[in-house]
Amino acid sequence: EAGVTQSPTHLIKTRGQQATLRCSPISGHTSVYWYQQALGLGLQFLLWYDEGEERNRGNFPPRFSGRQFPNYSSELNVNALELEDSALYLCASQRRSEAFFGQGTRLTVV
Amino acid sequence: AQSVAQPEDQVNVAEGNPLTVKCTYSVSGNPYLFWYVQYPNRGLQFLLKYITGDNLVKGSYGFEAEFNKSQTSFHLKKPSALVSDSALYFCAVRDMVNRDDKIIFGKGTRLHILP
Repeated sequence: EAGVTQSPTHLIKTRGQQATLRCSPISGHTSVYWYQQALGLGLQFLLWYDEGEERNRGNFPPRFSGRQFPNYSSELNVNALELEDSALYLCASQRRSEAFFGQGTRLTVV
Repeated sequence: AQSVAQPEDQVNVAEGNPLTVKCTYSVSGNPYLFWYVQYPNRGLQFLLKYITGDNLVKGSYGFEAEFNKSQTSFHLKKPSALVSDSALYFCAVRDMVNRDDKIIFGKGTRLHILP
């Protein structure tokens, strides 16, 4: 069984640009979570999608947005990038209340 | 809203000694509790979970955790630490009363096993 896959692995953007991060959940999983892991700050909850709908959103500005596609894959978009957006972005899919994580996308804003 | 606290940023343990990584939680209903481990530049790996039943939960790599409802704690334990256990450990909680709620993680505890 393939795990959660995220792409790209690394992404370098300049301040003000937009970044798009992608996540494919484990086959059969309908829920996708997004987390931001900035240095020294642990995991901050960003977004939760289930069955194509946004179910919950963390305390992040509107320039962080996303969507979930009919095949349950998901996209995280970050507009107007700021230096402090540099972080590891982790995606997880869920089954029976257990979350399975991808390897993450390391976003660097310069 | 639920919350989870890991009071220690770092825990140092000598190899072969027992280890404990602390976690306390707050939820309005019954909690689902989890422990995850993260190795450098990697995603999180699931260790164990408590849903219901026996308060002592056994998980991967010899780890176990004890659910204590009165103290709202879910401490991670291992009888004999290995150097390879050195990693970042996260406790997480989901409030099962409110099914629209998300999984919240603690800030993490870095475990150093000293040879």
